[in-house]
Amino acid sequence: AQSVTQPDIHITVSEGASLELRCNYSYGATPYLFWYVQSPGQGLQLLLKYFSGDTLVQGIKGFEAEFKRSQSSFNLRKPSVHWSDAAEYFCAVGTYNTDKLIFGTGTRLQVFP
Amino acid sequence: DTEVTQTPKHLVMGMTNKKSLKCEQHMGHRAMYWYKQKAKKPPELMFVYSYEKLSINESVPSRFSPECPNSSLLNLHLHALQPEDSALYLCASSQARGYGYTFGSGTRLTVV
Repeated sequence: AQSVTQPDIHITVSEGASLELRCNYSYGATPYLFWYVQSPGQGLQLLLKYFSGDTLVQGIKGFEAEFKRSQSSFNLRKPSVHWSDAAEYFCAVGTYNTDKLIFGTGTRLQVFP
Repeated sequence: DTEVTQTPKHLVMGMTNKKSLKCEQHMGHRAMYWYKQKAKKPPELMFVYSYEKLSINESVPSRFSPECPNSSLLNLHLHALQPEDSALYLCASSQARGYGYTFGSGTRLTVV
C-alpha cells in the first residue's frame, strides 16, 4: 500500500533563510508526487508535481523539489523564505491506477522576521 | 476559469437539520472529490466522482450523501450530523491522474 511520511511536524526558520521540507513515500513503482500548501482556513494550493522526466521540478512561489528514487524521497526546497511562506505544507502521492491521493501528515512552517 | 468554487463558506447546523454543500468547476475536469479536514490534520478522502459516476466511497456514514448532477457540479447533502462532523469540507477536481487536484477554499461546518 502507498504511504507518505513527513518527518517534521513543525519547522521554524528566519526570513531569508533556506528551507527544506522532507517527504518520503512508500510505493512499488514510480508514483505521482505533489506538494501542496495550505494557509489557515483555506483550501490547498498545488505548489509543484512530479510524474516523469526531469527529477528536479520547479513550482510556483520559488519552490522546487527533487525526486530521488533511491531514497524514496521528494523533498521541497526554497533558497530564501519569505514571511508569507508561513503555512502548512502537505506532500501527497498518487498512482496511475487510482484517482486517490494519499496525503502526508503535514509540516507547519513558521517564519520569524 | 481555473477555480473550484464552494458554497457556503461557513455553515452552522443543528443535529436535526438538512443542509447541502455545493461545489462547481468549469475547467472541464473529469473527476471531482469531497475531502474532510479536521484541525491540524491532513485531508481525508470521502468520495470520488469520475465522469459523473461515484467511483470511490471511503466508507463514509450515510448521513453524508454525495450527488453529481452534471460534470461541473458536485453536492454533498448533510442530514442528522453529529458534533464530531464539524470540520472543513474541501471539494477538488482533477483533469487526469498525475495532474494533481485543484481545491476549493472549503466550507467550514459547525454542528451544534
